[in-house]
Amino acid sequence: DTEVTQTPKHLVMGMTNKKSLKCEQHMGHRAMYWYKQKAKKPPELMFVYSYEKLSINESVPSRFSPECPNSSLLNLHLHALQPEDSALYLCASSRIQGAFGYTFGSGTRLTVV
Amino acid sequence: AQSVTQPDIHITVSEGASLELRCNYSYGATPYLFWYVQSPGQGLQLLLKYFSGDTLVQGIKGFEAEFKRSQSSFNLRKPSVHWSDAAEYFCAVGGNNNDMRFGAGTRLTVKP
Repeated sequence: DTEVTQTPKHLVMGMTNKKSLKCEQHMGHRAMYWYKQKAKKPPELMFVYSYEKLSINESVPSRFSPECPNSSLLNLHLHALQPEDSALYLCASSRIQGAFGYTFGSGTRLTVV
Repeated sequence: AQSVTQPDIHITVSEGASLELRCNYSYGATPYLFWYVQSPGQGLQLLLKYFSGDTLVQGIKGFEAEFKRSQSSFNLRKPSVHWSDAAEYFCAVGGNNNDMRFGAGTRLTVKP
């Protein structure tokens, strides 16, 4: 299995909702990442987990809450989002943090209304 | 801090023509360099990567890139472009325990 699977593919949520994005990989990778990508922009790093511990938080607002329950799963919990948070959220994994190229999922297209 | 510059926001080439996408990087040590491709609404697919050794790197889909330390460049090339190559291309730089940072991207349009 050489894929990163993200669910759901599309999500529409209101500003008072709570929702979660899920990411799963079975490649034995020990680093997992959340990126946010606005239209016509490059991906921007949000969070890095290395060996299931939060390694980097790029000053992301607390309405985004990551969770890594085990080495194969990465969640992003969303609460009280703003319309400007609408974007493509990409999950990636790599064998170890930072090197060797990342494997990306297809992303979750999030729309906040 | 590492950074990547892709000078060309948008490039149009005719099908069958050659392609070169430019990438310049800034990094304090020997960088790890990558090229990714993204089709609309999709995730990123790794085309090729450079860590060390031979400076000419072969990738998937007929792409290659050349690392030139003296010019801090890692340009992507393809001898003959196909219509299916139309996409957004991102150059990225990373290093040991440093996380990947992307350039702004170059959008490739292929004319019939």
